[in-house]
Amino acid sequence: EAGVVQSPRYKIIEKKQPVAFWCNPISGHNTLYWYLQNLGQGPELLIRYENEEAVDDSQLPKDRFSAERLKGVDSTLKIQPAELGDSAVYLCASSQGLAGPDTQYFGPGTRLTVL
Amino acid sequence: GENVEQHPSTLSVQEGDSAVIKCTYSDSASNYFPWYKQELGKGPQLIIDIRSNVGEKKDQRIAVTLNKTAKHFSLHITETQPEDSAVYFCAASRESGGSNYKLTFGKGTLLTVNP
Repeated sequence: EAGVVQSPRYKIIEKKQPVAFWCNPISGHNTLYWYLQNLGQGPELLIRYENEEAVDDSQLPKDRFSAERLKGVDSTLKIQPAELGDSAVYLCASSQGLAGPDTQYFGPGTRLTVL
Repeated sequence: GENVEQHPSTLSVQEGDSAVIKCTYSDSASNYFPWYKQELGKGPQLIIDIRSNVGEKKDQRIAVTLNKTAKHFSLHITETQPEDSAVYFCAASRESGGSNYKLTFGKGTLLTVNP
């Protein structure tokens, strides 16, 4: 079974430029998460989707970050414009969406460098 | 919100020795505690988890213990091997319930197993 797929794996951009990350969750997983992982830190939730609905986006900086999950499968996370402080690893995870907390499976992440 | 503290931040052991990583949490309503292993350039991978109705859980060389009264839980790895070298993260969350279900991660422990 294929795991969570993310692309690109690495992205280098100049500040003020836009950037987008793509995630394909494990087949059949209803819940999708985007996390931010700064160097030397644990992942921090940005947004959680249940099917197409964003059920928790309280940690998403909405002035520059946006996300969508069309048709309840793939998802994209966008930053516009990027700032130097956005340099980090952006992780996507998915889970079956069972009642209660269920196992989250993480993708390899996209390492963003903003110059 | 939940706050998870993890210690130590780095741990170096000799192959064959045991390793123990400890975490404390602040939200007494948290009742799900997973542990993730993250290798360089990869996303976190679940290695074991425990729910609050269980005090201890074991899977081969890995065990987790939970003390709900003291609000701390620990990861124990016995007979460590070089391939156990990675960053380990603990996390905590409540059971389901909209935004209440949110994994809060510790800052991670870099485990190095020396041959």
